[in-house]
Amino acid sequence: EDKVVQSPLSLVVHEGDTVTLNCSYEVTNFRSLLWYKQEKKAPTFLFMLTSSGIEKKSGRLSSILDKKELFSILNITATQTGDSAIYLCAVCAGGTSYGKLTFGQGTILTVHP
Amino acid sequence: DAEITQSPRHKITETGRQVTLACHQTWNHNNMFWYRQDLGHGLRLIHYSYGVQDTNKGEVSDGYSVSRSNTEDLPLTLESAASSQTSVYFCASSEFGGPPSTDTQYFGPGTRLTVL
Repeated sequence: EDKVVQSPLSLVVHEGDTVTLNCSYEVTNFRSLLWYKQEKKAPTFLFMLTSSGIEKKSGRLSSILDKKELFSILNITATQTGDSAIYLCAVCAGGTSYGKLTFGQGTILTVHP
Repeated sequence: DAEITQSPRHKITETGRQVTLACHQTWNHNNMFWYRQDLGHGLRLIHYSYGVQDTNKGEVSDGYSVSRSNTEDLPLTLESAASSQTSVYFCASSEFGGPPSTDTQYFGPGTRLTVL
């Protein structure tokens, strides 16, 4: 059974701090790992990491994938109150699990002014 | 612009009643998914479909059913609502086949269901 574990489950920081969110996974026939941001509504897509794309960056957010150790991290530098959200990690497998995403529990990030 | 919509956005019902949640997407995606989100559990897959007339059970499918008669819609039915089904329900869609970039799922705004 595919499994995704995120840590920490919650995190409280102040504006300007740098945070690191962790995601470890166990999946057979790995295809991709995805990060989503959820603010009081639908999850919105942030990054996808695959065997051919193990590092992504967009502004203050960056993410890496370690396929050997089976984990990913999401870094947010110079945090802002608008970064407050639930961050979800998900993995997609191939084979009979094709197209399905297995999600972690999420990390609740709170950024105080 | 392509989008995915859900209705109703909020629903209160009583135990034992049948409830149907609607999901409509204009992405022309073959894959559609239903999740429920509860505190401490993240998103859990209820049912999914790879195309018209195709439906599959997810990890928490008991008490739920879906049908797919066209590409755009995947309604979720709770046959006899139970208090344990109080949750936020999300519908999502993605392309079928191809490289890993097609794994990205796009989510609807969610339906908050309360079963009294």
